[in-house]
Amino acid sequence: NAGVTQTPKFQVLKTGQSMTLQCAQDMNHNSMYWYRQDPGMGLRLIYYSASEGTTDKGEVPNGYNVSRLNKREFSLRLESAAPSQTSVYFCASGKGFVDEQFFGPGTRLTVL
Amino acid sequence: AQSVAQPEDQVNVAEGNPLTVKCTYSVSGNPYLFWYVQYPNRGLQFLLKYITGDNLVKGSYGFEAEFNKSQTSFHLKKPSALVSDSALYFCAVRDSNRDDKIIFGKGTRLHILP
Repeated sequence: NAGVTQTPKFQVLKTGQSMTLQCAQDMNHNSMYWYRQDPGMGLRLIYYSASEGTTDKGEVPNGYNVSRLNKREFSLRLESAAPSQTSVYFCASGKGFVDEQFFGPGTRLTVL
Repeated sequence: AQSVAQPEDQVNVAEGNPLTVKCTYSVSGNPYLFWYVQYPNRGLQFLLKYITGDNLVKGSYGFEAEFNKSQTSFHLKKPSALVSDSALYFCAVRDSNRDDKIIFGKGTRLHILP
């Protein structure tokens, strides 16, 4: 039982490049989330998916797109990376509205 | 709008002393409250939650938290701190009137001094 896995662990991009962050969970959770963590800012929600086939914007969605490929997988895409997107990205999953979330180990992204 | 505040960026406590990490919140409906801990270079780990019922909630690693509706607070506590408790702690809130977002506080860094 791996929990929530994320790939890659580290990535360096040049401004304007694109990339996709992958996330998968094996806990049969309905909800999945993408957050970014910046110093002094806490965690901010980028996008979430309450169930397979649905996605919704969070607090900071600009510059990102997501795909809920199936119940297990939820990917985050940066179409044209900007230095302001340098951050640590966390994927999380949860059973439902009042349940705790389980977090992946994170992806450290640097955009030059 | 829902919000959560952790008024202290850092808390220093001597090993063996009791610790408190503060959290206050604002929601329009009933709050669902959570505490998470983050160790260096790791994802967040769930500690405990308050949904309904007893105001004192017990969680992992000997932590507990007290829900105070009148003060809109959910402070994290532990009777006797360990050096291994040193980490970054996040409070989070969900509003029962909204079916979407959970909002995280900015985090409090806890230093336990040997």
